[in-house]
Amino acid sequence: DVKVTQSSRYLVKRTGEKVFLECVQDMDHENMFWYRQDPGLGLRLIYFSYDVKMKEKGDIPEGYSVSREKKERFSLILESASTNQTSMYLCASSPRRLAAYYEQYFGPGTRLTVT
Amino acid sequence: ILNVEQSPQSLHVQEGDSTNFTCSFPSSNFYALHWYRWETAKSPEALFVMTLNGDEKKKGRISATLNTKEGYSYLYIKGSQPEDSATYLCAPNTGNQFYFGTGTSLTVIP
Repeated sequence: DVKVTQSSRYLVKRTGEKVFLECVQDMDHENMFWYRQDPGLGLRLIYFSYDVKMKEKGDIPEGYSVSREKKERFSLILESASTNQTSMYLCASSPRRLAAYYEQYFGPGTRLTVT
Repeated sequence: ILNVEQSPQSLHVQEGDSTNFTCSFPSSNFYALHWYRWETAKSPEALFVMTLNGDEKKKGRISATLNTKEGYSYLYIKGSQPEDSATYLCAPNTGNQFYFGTGTSLTVIP
């Protein structure tokens, strides 16, 4: 079974802090994704990575950066957390480069609150 | 950004009823359409990945159809069970970008 794990289920940070959200997958998948989920909105893609050290911006990359130094790990970084980044963050992975054609496997999510 | 619409927003059905939901999306630059089920306190789980116009997929009591020319997909659940209660998300894809709808929340009443 594919397993995608995220470092924390719940996280509370203060405005201005640098925040790291970690995601690890154990199935040697090429692609990894970071989404955020807000009430009344669909999952929105923040960043996508199709290989180590490779990344592409999604719909809402502002205020975020990512790091993929190893194939199994994809980190989302909030450089200076703000209250409008309070959200549920979901990581996902999928095999092979053509992400369109392969189902994504999601982690359990991290509910981040920025105060 | 792709405009993805799912309807209805929420649905309550009795156990044993059959039901269906709609996902509408712009038909240009279409690569594939994904359906996911998201139960409360769990991770979204893939149901189907559909690519061809006229595709029909089935998994147990759940099936889906795809019309890429007119830009819609239907998800059907036959004989709904309480364990089918979840939010059902569709996500059309235009390459490496996924655009998720807001989902249809299904509650099956025993």
